[in-house]
Amino acid sequence: EPEVTQTPSHQVTQMGQEVILRCVPISNHLYFYWYRQILGQKVEFLVSFYNNEISEKSEIFDDQFSVERPDGSNFTLKIRSTKLEDSAMYFCASSFRLAGGETQYFGPGTRLLVL
Amino acid sequence: SQQGEEDPQALSIQEGENATMNCSYKTSINNLQWYRQNSGRGLVHLILIRSNEREKHSGRLRVTLDTSKKSSSLLITASRAADTASYFCAGGSGNTGKLIFGQGTTLQVKP
Repeated sequence: EPEVTQTPSHQVTQMGQEVILRCVPISNHLYFYWYRQILGQKVEFLVSFYNNEISEKSEIFDDQFSVERPDGSNFTLKIRSTKLEDSAMYFCASSFRLAGGETQYFGPGTRLLVL
Repeated sequence: SQQGEEDPQALSIQEGENATMNCSYKTSINNLQWYRQNSGRGLVHLILIRSNEREKHSGRLRVTLDTSKKSSSLLITASRAADTASYFCAGGSGNTGKLIFGQGTTLQVKP
């Protein structure tokens, strides 16, 4: 069964460093998302992406964050200058279409720890 | 409270019993999805119910949606120890697919 994959599974970085989290969505999916979950809290929406453009972003997704689909398979989230409060589990998700609501399939997550 | 609030926050039952989790939401949705998360792991999609549907079944899962009350419930019948996990509802709305998650219900099924 196709699945969303994410690398790395864990990342430890120093405050102020840049990190890039990578995702490979399901191959025929057209819509891509990033969410995050701070330890013990609920999952929060960061950004949605379609047709090589951001379609919606949350207040969390400030200028420190960017997303890119550099080729036909990868979808990346970059945090330019990490802060302690960026420590969280980051989930990538993808879906085939939107009409009527479509299942979003989530990857296993990248656990980011900022020291 | 925010979109997708669940209750109870924690539920402990014996194997074989049924588990019911409730979710309420604030804004209009076009679908509501339920996910399961084992401790520290990824989100596994369980079931999606559209705003024009009232009830849906999948195996031991039964989901209801009441758009007039802005609420949904997830029933797991004949629970197993392997059902122990956190369960989240997530409302989808708008044109971008954004999901708004609730705080989740932590279910413990004792063998």
